[in-house]
Amino acid sequence: GESVGLHLPTLSVQEGDNSIINCAYSNSASDYFIWYKQESGKGPQFIIDIRSNMDKRQGQRVTVLLNKTVKHLSLQIAATQPGDSAVYFCAETSYDKVIFGPGTSLSVIP
Amino acid sequence: DGGITQSPKYLFRKEGQNVTLSCEQNLNHDAMYWYRQDPGQGLRLIYYSQIVNDFQKGDIAEGYSVSREKKESFPLTVTSAQKNPTAFYLCASSISLGRAWGYTFGSGTRLTVV
Repeated sequence: GESVGLHLPTLSVQEGDNSIINCAYSNSASDYFIWYKQESGKGPQFIIDIRSNMDKRQGQRVTVLLNKTVKHLSLQIAATQPGDSAVYFCAETSYDKVIFGPGTSLSVIP
Repeated sequence: DGGITQSPKYLFRKEGQNVTLSCEQNLNHDAMYWYRQDPGQGLRLIYYSQIVNDFQKGDIAEGYSVSREKKESFPLTVTSAQKNPTAFYLCASSISLGRAWGYTFGSGTRLTVV
């Protein structure tokens, strides 16, 4: 039979507000981090990345913050839009290994 | 357009049946991967291939098999030995192994046991 899965953390935000999605990573040796966006029934899409020698990186409407002290990564989305509704998950890489986080479901309220 | 094509989008498997999921890429990537995605869990690696005619087990390879006879193709067979195959399966490719920033994912295949 089907396995009972865990429930994804859910974040609901009002359209136009800023969103902050968090990710705790596990390997202190990870040197590269990526955020992905996955819409329902589709494959993940790359959003933004950051190297371990950086604390912050900005893209178009998105900012990634890296806190290596507490092994924490966050994705900030400015002026959230309905099209931003999706599951967002982080990935950490070290050498040739990639570990994906479980994700957060972002729901935008019009 | 370059990309990865997975087929079928939906697949139903009867108990004891083997099914094969297709993954084709025209990106000229050397590395290809199969991941399983279950609700509330991160992507888990089933198998990966660095080059043609070579592939390695990932974290959850039991009950699955793959082949890599062509650079463009990396089909996944879900065998009857996989006791809980219902999941969303994602194929990905990258220029070389472990370059996650260069991952391109397919649109996935949702497999359901009936």
